[in-house]
Amino acid sequence: AQTVTQSQPEMSVQEAETVTLSCTYDTSESDYYLFWYKQPPSRQMILVIRQEAYKQQNATENRFSVNFQKAAKSFSLKISDSQLGDAAMYFCAYSVEYGNKLVFGAGTILRVKS
Amino acid sequence: DTAVSQTPKYLVTQMGNDKSIKCEQNLGHDTMYWYKQDSKKFLKIMFSYNNKELIINETVPNRFSPKSPDKAHLNLHINSLELGDSAVYFCASSQWADTNTEAFFGQGTRLTVV
Repeated sequence: AQTVTQSQPEMSVQEAETVTLSCTYDTSESDYYLFWYKQPPSRQMILVIRQEAYKQQNATENRFSVNFQKAAKSFSLKISDSQLGDAAMYFCAYSVEYGNKLVFGAGTILRVKS
Repeated sequence: DTAVSQTPKYLVTQMGNDKSIKCEQNLGHDTMYWYKQDSKKFLKIMFSYNNKELIINETVPNRFSPKSPDKAHLNLHINSLELGDSAVYFCASSQWADTNTEAFFGQGTRLTVV
């Protein structure tokens, strides 16, 4: 069964600093997709960044970037120049092709200190 | 315009009642989902529909019955509600043929069973 593990229940970062959220996954598939979703207190699930497993190049979206290590099955999220608005729950997710369902990790609460 | 909309946002009901949550998407997607987020914030897929056809049913109790009148709508009916059904239920949609596609989520429905 596919599983996604986020080992950090909670993280804190000072405003303007950089923080890295960890994620590992387990799959026997060779082709899959990985995502980071953000859930602020409003409950809305917002896609932060995604990575295709067949691409070696790490995805970046403005201040957000990933470190994708396929052999190690690791997919960490780096947030640079952290802002107060980045405070939220962050979920790592793996996409299974059949039905396109998302398998989520348990989430990491990110607190940003001013 | 809201891409994926759910109603109601909040639902408080007594044990044993039957209730429904409605979901509509205006993105032209052909696949819709129901996810459940429990009190520990863990997100898990319940159902997936593609063009009104049930694709995934993740061992959800029979009391939960999804209904898709057309590919833009996926409603969730719950019979004989139990305390353990209290959770946030998210509707989502994506495009089947593109496994890389972003899943768009509704704002969630917080169901409280008392």
